[in-house]
Amino acid sequence: ETGVTQTPRHLVMGMTNKKSLKCEQHLGHNAMYWYKQSAKKPLELMFVYSLEERVENNSVPSRFSPECPNSSHLFLHLHTLQPEDSALYLCASSQETASYNEQFFGPGTRLTVL
Amino acid sequence: GENVEQHPSTLSVQEGDSAVIKCTYSDSASNYFPWYKQELGKGPQLIIDIRSNVGEKKDQRIAVTLNKTAKHFSLHITETQPEDSAVYFCAASRIGGGADGLTFGKGTHLIIQP
Repeated sequence: ETGVTQTPRHLVMGMTNKKSLKCEQHLGHNAMYWYKQSAKKPLELMFVYSLEERVENNSVPSRFSPECPNSSHLFLHLHTLQPEDSALYLCASSQETASYNEQFFGPGTRLTVL
Repeated sequence: GENVEQHPSTLSVQEGDSAVIKCTYSDSASNYFPWYKQELGKGPQLIIDIRSNVGEKKDQRIAVTLNKTAKHFSLHITETQPEDSAVYFCAASRIGGGADGLTFGKGTHLIIQP
């Protein structure tokens, strides 16, 4: 185990539903990330939080809304998603330093939008 | 922004042979190049990384080389074993400038033939 947990592991939702993905890291890190992994595409960075403040948003549609209440928890709130949003959503954390940026990934949430 | 290209997309080698996966990057400011291994149902896991101040790094059967001038880096796995079968991702980022997400290649599916 990497010390990063994600729940749920699988989620099926309709386009009108509202759901949330949860990530928790037990490593004492100060930065957390959301990535999207679609078939035959590179992992795409969605959001970066450093010291609980959002520092990067890679032009993600507003139907994805992140929340980072503290340095150990990260949420991704989902509403009115599209079928093309079906993917594996990965959370990662790292200890931001001047010389090191190893990111530890959780197992992901497999999301299917019907 | 950064763009990372990875080749090949699929690589099949005989057990015991060597495997080489190559990546190129576009942003000369990138200075950190990790390699991740992803097994089925799991998140990516770091296997080796290299910083731009060195040209080669080795860890048992795994080695990574970096050519900053040509902006390419490679993963070398020697004496391959069945447990090496997985999807491998290269990535690039800048460290020292704050929490930076990783830019990933599309991945290489490595198949070790018995």
